[in-house]
Amino acid sequence: AQSVAQPEDQVNVAEGNPLTVKCTYSVSGNPYLFWYVQYPNRGLQFLLKYITGDNLVKGSYGFEAEFNKSQTSFHLKKPSALVSDSALYFCAVRDRWEAAGNKLTFGGGTRVLVKP
Amino acid sequence: EAGVAQSPRYKIIEKRQSVAFWCNPISGHATLYWYQQILGQGPKLLIQFQNNGVVDDSQLPKDRFSAERLKGVDSTLKIQPAKLEDSAVYLCASSFGAAANTEAFFGQGTRLTVV
Repeated sequence: AQSVAQPEDQVNVAEGNPLTVKCTYSVSGNPYLFWYVQYPNRGLQFLLKYITGDNLVKGSYGFEAEFNKSQTSFHLKKPSALVSDSALYFCAVRDRWEAAGNKLTFGGGTRVLVKP
Repeated sequence: EAGVAQSPRYKIIEKRQSVAFWCNPISGHATLYWYQQILGQGPKLLIQFQNNGVVDDSQLPKDRFSAERLKGVDSTLKIQPAKLEDSAVYLCASSFGAAANTEAFFGQGTRLTVV
């Protein structure tokens, strides 16, 4: 069975400092990996995805994520955080193996608080 | 491009009552998902449709939950009878195709409170 772990419930960072949100995954085959952000009373918004190729993926709002197969990780990063980045962030995985049923599995989420 | 539409936004019901949620996916999106998001947790897939056929409903509590997607467009999710533990946000999402590398687009969700 596939799973996603986000080890930190909350990440606090000062505005202008680098932001990292950690994600590790487990799948039977090879993964497709996604990051979503959720603002209060809003649905999830897609940020970026890893499909294949370059391990460093760039997405919306200045976010990027690095795929590391040996560590089974897909950490989300932003070089300089903004107060407006304060939100709930979810990592998600799909198994490329067709028999896995194409299910998109989410982690438990990490709350990011950027302080002025 | 219009997003995924869901209604109602909020619903409060008593336990043992029934409730229904409606979702209209992005035009042309063949795949539709219903997720349950309990406070403090990540979304959990309840059911996935490809057009009007069910792809995955392994985590749908079929004794009380049902969903349909007639004509392969709109979808409804029903709970009958509701339990206190069903209190959650119910998210509908859609994606253009069934390919595993396709991202899903989410609606704003319906917040259900069962009292």
